[in-house]
Amino acid sequence: AQSVTQPDIHITVSEGASLELRCNYSYGATPYLFWYVQSPGQGLQLLLKYFSGDTLVQGIKGFEAEFKRSQSSFNLRKPSVHWSDAAEYFCAVGVDSNYQLIWGAGTKLIIKP
Amino acid sequence: DGGITQSPKYLFRKEGQNVTLSCEQNLNHDAMYWYRQDPGQGLRLIYYSQIVNDFQKGDIAEGYSVSREKKESFPLTVTSAQKNPTAFYLCASRDRGRSSYGYTFGSGTRLTVV
Repeated sequence: AQSVTQPDIHITVSEGASLELRCNYSYGATPYLFWYVQSPGQGLQLLLKYFSGDTLVQGIKGFEAEFKRSQSSFNLRKPSVHWSDAAEYFCAVGVDSNYQLIWGAGTKLIIKP
Repeated sequence: DGGITQSPKYLFRKEGQNVTLSCEQNLNHDAMYWYRQDPGQGLRLIYYSQIVNDFQKGDIAEGYSVSREKKESFPLTVTSAQKNPTAFYLCASRDRGRSSYGYTFGSGTRLTVV
C-alpha cells in the first residue's frame, strides 16, 4: 500500500541555520511528490512538486527538494531559515487516476531566535 | 480573487447534535474534497466529489455525510454517529483540467464537542 513517512514530528533550528525535513514514500510506480506548508489554524499552501525530470526542484519561499529514487526520499531543504518559516510541513504523494493525495503526518518546524 | 471559503472558522457541537460545515469555491473547480486533520496524523480523506451530484467515500466517511448540488458548494455534515468529531476540517478543490494535482485549500473549520 502507498504510504508517506515523515520521521520527525518536531524539528527546532536556529534562525539563519540550514534546514532539512525528511520524507520517505512507499509507492510502486513513479511517484508524484509534493511538499505543503501550513501556518497555525490555516489551510495548506503548495511549496513545490515533483512530477518528472530534474530531481532537484525549486519551490516558493526559497525552498528546494531532491527526489532520490534509490532511497525513496523527497527531502525538503532551505539554506537559511527565517522566523516566518515556523509552521507545519507536510509531504504527500499523488496516487491513482483520481489524483488522490496520500499524506505524511507532518513535521512541525520551530525556529529559535 | 478566486478561492475557497470555509465557514464558520470555529464551531462548537453538543453531544448528539448534527452540525454542517460550509465550503464554497469560486474557482470553477470540478473536484472538491473534505479532509480531517488531527495532531500527528496528517490529513485523512472523508469524502470527495469529482462532479456535481456525485460523491465518493474516503478513508474515514463513517459518521459524516455530504451533498454536491452545486459546483461551487460541498457542505459536510458531522452527524451524531461520529463519536469523536473534535478536529480541524479542511476543504479543498481541484481543477480536473490543466493542473491535475492543483489542489487549493480553504482555511479550515475547527470543530469542538462541548
